[in-house]
Amino acid sequence: DGGITQSPKYLFRKEGQNVTLSCEQNLNHDAMYWYRQDPGQGLRLIYYSQIVNDFQKGDIAEGYSVSREKKESFPLTVTSAQKNPTAFYLCASSPNNQPQHFGDGTRLSIL
Amino acid sequence: QKEVEQDPGPLSVPEGAIVSLNCTYSNSAFQYFMWYRQYSRKGPELLMYTYSSGNKEDGRFTAQVDKSSKYISLFIRDSQPSDSATYLCAMSAYNAGNMLTFGGGTRLMVKP
Repeated sequence: DGGITQSPKYLFRKEGQNVTLSCEQNLNHDAMYWYRQDPGQGLRLIYYSQIVNDFQKGDIAEGYSVSREKKESFPLTVTSAQKNPTAFYLCASSPNNQPQHFGDGTRLSIL
Repeated sequence: QKEVEQDPGPLSVPEGAIVSLNCTYSNSAFQYFMWYRQYSRKGPELLMYTYSSGNKEDGRFTAQVDKSSKYISLFIRDSQPSDSATYLCAMSAYNAGNMLTFGGGTRLMVKP
């Protein structure tokens, strides 16, 4: 089945710890995105990548980092510099000039 | 003022009702408009996509764009309990896949 796979579904972070969220797609989409969703709020863009080995900051990139070494993969690292990391993280991908499709998210909580 | 406004609800309707969900926006450059449905603890699912003004119908769903009023709507006919979800509007000026601005979502509850 073609789709976007995010793992894990639930993740817990300790103080001072970096954690990495996985996003893999087999849709052959060029562009990939990471969003953060807080309760009752819309999606806010963290980072996006339109081609391999290139990515741009979104509206709320501070405290996050990404890499795009393969077309299929766009992992997000939540660093210890992100002081309020508890949220629902969504990965999306899209072909050129077509709407984005989303994975089922990772819920990150603080221990 | 947010760039895209959406009533958070919840909107509660009886099964079989016609549902109207709406977004207003301030950026006149927006020309790509999308509606996503999000079930609890799941990712958003694309429902409708329209470019520029006009109507688009797909089964029980109709998307309507009025650029002169900066207003978009999603109509759901014969609503079902399975339609209970949060509905997010999204829009972009440049590209259907890029630089999307999302509304905060409207929570819909359809009661049997």
